Amino acid sequence: EAQVTQNPRYLITVTGKKLTVTCSQNMNHEYMSWYRQDPGLGLRQIYYSMNVEVTDKGDVPEGYKVSRKEKRNFPLILESPSPNQTSLYFCASSLSLALASDTQYFGPGTRLTVL
Amino acid sequence: SQQGEEDPQALSIQEGENATMNCSYKTSINNLQWYRQNSGRGLVHLILIRSNEREKHSGRLRVTLDTSKKSSSLLITASRAADTASYFCATDNAGTASKLTFGTGTRLQVTL
Repeated sequence: EAQVTQNPRYLITVTGKKLTVTCSQNMNHEYMSWYRQDPGLGLRQIYYSMNVEVTDKGDVPEGYKVSRKEKRNFPLILESPSPNQTSLYFCASSLSLALASDTQYFGPGTRLTVL
Repeated sequence: SQQGEEDPQALSIQEGENATMNCSYKTSINNLQWYRQNSGRGLVHLILIRSNEREKHSGRLRVTLDTSKKSSSLLITASRAADTASYFCATDNAGTASKLTFGTGTRLQVTL
């Protein structure tokens, strides 16, 4: 089944404890992206990647890192989480770089709470 | 920064009625997409309309785009309880084709 998977789905952690949220897609998609969703703010893009070893900042990249060593995986890294990073996180992928004609496929989300 | 702003923020209708949601954006776009999100879950793509199109249909969905007013509308006809969800517009902005910018969403409640 074509899908985007994220792990973990739920995570409660403490300030400063490094964590990684994994994202994997099995559709051979070129483009991958991370969003966070907060009440009243909609989805905001954190980072995106147009190809292996190519990543770029989105609208809210501060406090986050990503890597794209393989086409299928795009982990989100929080080196030193803070409470303002408590949010619902989504990974998404799309087949081509030309988003003008493409659909983004979303993962199920990771609900992160930083105490 | 938020490109799309949906209106209304929340909408409650009865099953069988039509639901209309609007999206306004600020800068020129290549295309506009609508997505649906069931509570706490990932977004699901509904429909894409290109900047040179004015109207598009998909099943019970009808999307219009007015680039002169920088606005789009999503109409769901003969709504069902299963249509209860949040609906987001997303713009693929001209000159920044590598990212989509999402609006804040309209929360639709369809009651029996």
